[in-house]
Amino acid sequence: GENVEQHPSTLSVQEGDSAVIKCTYSDSASNYFPWYKQELGKRPQLIIDIRSNVGEKKDQRIAVTLNKTAKHFSLHITETQPEDSAVYFCAASRAGNTPLVFGKGTRLSVIA
Amino acid sequence: GAVVSQHPSRVICKSGTSVKIECRSLDFQATTMFWYRQFPKKSLMLMATSNEGSKATYEQGVEKDKFLINHASLTLSTLTVTSAHPEDSSFYICSARGRSETQYFGPGTRLLVL
Repeated sequence: GENVEQHPSTLSVQEGDSAVIKCTYSDSASNYFPWYKQELGKRPQLIIDIRSNVGEKKDQRIAVTLNKTAKHFSLHITETQPEDSAVYFCAASRAGNTPLVFGKGTRLSVIA
Repeated sequence: GAVVSQHPSRVICKSGTSVKIECRSLDFQATTMFWYRQFPKKSLMLMATSNEGSKATYEQGVEKDKFLINHASLTLSTLTVTSAHPEDSSFYICSARGRSETQYFGPGTRLLVL
């Protein structure tokens, strides 16, 4: 089955700097890759997703890149703000009713 | 985005009792719902996948007689923790998916078994 590895497990950046979180996956048939942000005690919120027919997607300060050949995808947050502090999870799945497989999460701290 | 509700948000129960958690998709029809368990500072652990009108598919190591899942309609799935014990204390989160691959999460239920 699918296995998703996520790095780093913790990340501290200065406010205004960029943050990059990387994930690798094992199942070459996976074609959907969402990123979720989870604040303490809250539900995971979808922040951006990418499908395998696209190499990059951007939404304001957030971007995701996908390299299908290498089976890795990354989340980029630019101009970080304290409210970006949270745990971020990457995930991967195939089409259809297959469940998402999550990475172990990255705890991002943005220091003012 | 789509809205998924979950009730109760928090429950405390005595060991040996059963607890039912409801997950509802409020503004879309969820063909598939998922149930996760999350330990403090850990990732989401998939427990089971539930499709409307059919039996749930449980992940390896999850006891189906312990965690009863019912997906009776396209907007409601329930998870019943039977004969709960302190080790069942956890944060339980459901998610729902409609026609697209996007999963929307409920707010979670914090269960404490005394």
